[in-house]
Amino acid sequence: DTEVTQTPKHLVMGMTNKKSLKCEQHMGHRAMYWYKQKAKKPPELMFVYSYEKLSINESVPSRFSPECPNSSLLNLHLHALQPEDSALYLCASSQELAGVYEQFFGPGTRLTVL
Amino acid sequence: AQSVTQPDIHITVSEGASLELRCNYSYGATPYLFWYVQSPGQGLQLLLKYFSGDTLVQGIKGFEAEFKRSQSSFNLRKPSVHWSDAAEYFCAVGGGRTGNQFYFGTGTSLTVIP
Repeated sequence: DTEVTQTPKHLVMGMTNKKSLKCEQHMGHRAMYWYKQKAKKPPELMFVYSYEKLSINESVPSRFSPECPNSSLLNLHLHALQPEDSALYLCASSQELAGVYEQFFGPGTRLTVL
Repeated sequence: AQSVTQPDIHITVSEGASLELRCNYSYGATPYLFWYVQSPGQGLQLLLKYFSGDTLVQGIKGFEAEFKRSQSSFNLRKPSVHWSDAAEYFCAVGGGRTGNQFYFGTGTSLTVIP
C-alpha cells in the first residue's frame, strides 16, 4: 500500500470555526509533512514530524496546530483562520527524515475560508 | 543554499509532439533530484528520481530525465505527448539542513493541444 489518504476532500469554514484535517499512511513511514499550496504555486512546507515528534515548524501562525497521535496519523487543527488561508493542504510521508527519500503525497484537502 | 529553477512557466505542445521541461538546480553536494506531476486539484505524483548512478533516468508514463552535472540541469523529456499529460510539473531537490526537506521549483504548466 503506497497511498496517503486525506480527509475531507473539501472543507468550507468560517473565520470563527474550528476544524481539523486528517492524513493517514500505512507504509510504515516515520516522517510526515504538511504543505500549503496556492493555485499555480509550488507546495510550501509547514510542518514536519519525525517519529511522532515535531521536527520542523516553518514559522506557521498559531491558528494552525499540528498533531501526530501515532506513526500512521497526522492531523492539522484549524482555528480562527483568515480568508488568505484558503488553499490546497497536502500531506506527505517519507521513510525517514534523516537522509533523502521520496515523499509520497496525498490528494489534498481543498480549504475555503469565508 | 539549495534552490531549483524552472525557466518555463507555461509550455504548449501538440499531441504526439516531443516534450522537454527544463530544470536547473543549485546544490552544494551531490543532488537528489525529483520530478513530480500534479493534475488539477490533485496531489503530487512522483514521475522519477535521481540519486546516483546512470544519469539517464526512466520514470513512469513514458517520461525520462537526464542529469547533467556540468550544466546543473535535470531536464524532463517525453518523446510523444498525450493529452492526458496536461498538468503542472514540479522539479525538486531533496536534502535540507534538517534532512528530507524538498526545495521545489516554481513549476511548469503544460497544455496539450489536439
